Amino acid sequence: DAKTTQPTSMDCAEGRAANLPCNHSTISGNEYVYWYRQIHSQGPQYIIHGLKNNETNEMASLIITEDRKSSTLILPHATLRDTAVYYCIVRVESWGKLQFGAGTQVVVTP
Amino acid sequence: EPEVTQTPSHQVTQMGQEVILRCVPISNHLYFYWYRQILGQKVEFLVSFYNNEISEKSEIFDDQFSVERPDGSNFTLKIRSTKLEDSAMYFCASRAGVGWDEQFFGPGTRLTVL
Repeated sequence: DAKTTQPTSMDCAEGRAANLPCNHSTISGNEYVYWYRQIHSQGPQYIIHGLKNNETNEMASLIITEDRKSSTLILPHATLRDTAVYYCIVRVESWGKLQFGAGTQVVVTP
Repeated sequence: EPEVTQTPSHQVTQMGQEVILRCVPISNHLYFYWYRQILGQKVEFLVSFYNNEISEKSEIFDDQFSVERPDGSNFTLKIRSTKLEDSAMYFCASRAGVGWDEQFFGPGTRLTVL
């Protein structure tokens, strides 16, 4: 079973920041948090991952709380193309599988 | 930018027939995975493959399923005798195997079993 909890859905206005929360209260010290998204029925697309420090790349920022029990994915300027299901995943082993939950359906509106 | 490719994009087959889904992982990647997603459901892990052998498999991956890396580029998933419930999107993924690097997913093959 997935080790994360995410809201089922959220809306975001185009051009605004989208803040997607994720709870992972049972995360262990060496487990990473990954974010993927899936647009319609396409293959999941990697967004970002982190262990305990905040991370930023060209797609998004990842804020992990100090106790590592939750994190927030930030899409700084949401566009209509960011409409997708976003998955927060705790990865147990570096070589191991990704366990997908139901994710958060994000709808970006004009 | 390198990407994982999968063929065919859509496969229609009759129940009981064998199907082979093909994937070309990113060059120089060492770890390979198959996942599936039944319509409207979660993405589910099937199997991982490294160093020419299965490293982990799920309960879904029973004796009807097999994987193979027949040459240096292809990675295949075979379903020996398809069932109606095998209808799903099948995604291949690969990763380089450097630290906690990410898995890259292909676009998927839609399998329809009639």
